[in-house]
Amino acid sequence: DGGITQSPKYLFRKEGQNVTLSCEQNLNHDAMYWYRQDPGQGLRLIYYSQIVNDFQKGDIAEGYSVSREKKESFPLTVTSAQKNPTAFYLCASSRAPGSPLHFGNGTRLTVT
Amino acid sequence: AQSVTQLGSHVSVSEGALVLLRCNYSSSVPPYLFWYVQYPNQGLQLLLKYTTGATLVKGINGFEAEFKKSETSFHLTKPSAHMSDAAEYFCAVSPEGTGFQKLVFGTGTRLLVSP
Repeated sequence: DGGITQSPKYLFRKEGQNVTLSCEQNLNHDAMYWYRQDPGQGLRLIYYSQIVNDFQKGDIAEGYSVSREKKESFPLTVTSAQKNPTAFYLCASSRAPGSPLHFGNGTRLTVT
Repeated sequence: AQSVTQLGSHVSVSEGALVLLRCNYSSSVPPYLFWYVQYPNQGLQLLLKYTTGATLVKGINGFEAEFKKSETSFHLTKPSAHMSDAAEYFCAVSPEGTGFQKLVFGTGTRLLVSP
């Protein structure tokens, strides 16, 4: 079955460390997205990529970085510059303009 | 810029009662509209979508939504709630015809179903 795999499901880091969240899809979708979810705030877009080797900042990109070297993969790095990194991170992909998003099951990051 | 407002962060219903979750949007162009459901510690799953055509859209699990342009609304309904419907529901909007779009999500409504 096709889908999006996010790993790990839970991640714990010390403050000041960079951490990379994995996102892999086998849906052959061109577009991929990273969202951050906080209680009561819904989903906020961090970065998105429409094609390989290209990506754009979303609404809350500060303190995050991404790469898109392969169509299937869109890893997100949470850097030490992100002031409040503890959150639930969701990766998604879509086939075409206006198509629904397919989501992974998320990674819950806790930074102490 | 488009935005989405979901009235009520929590909605409580009894099993068997009507479910009504409200969503209003603002968009400068005709939008695509979506409802997603999220169960605890999971990703979001598409319930239904409106792009063009019939304004009453049927989705999975017995849910439906009606696009009302004059009211800029896309409320989600289900005639009879089931315990398994307890989850968080998100309305999202995407302007039509402008390429790959960044969906804008509402803040979500948590549906509580009591026996």
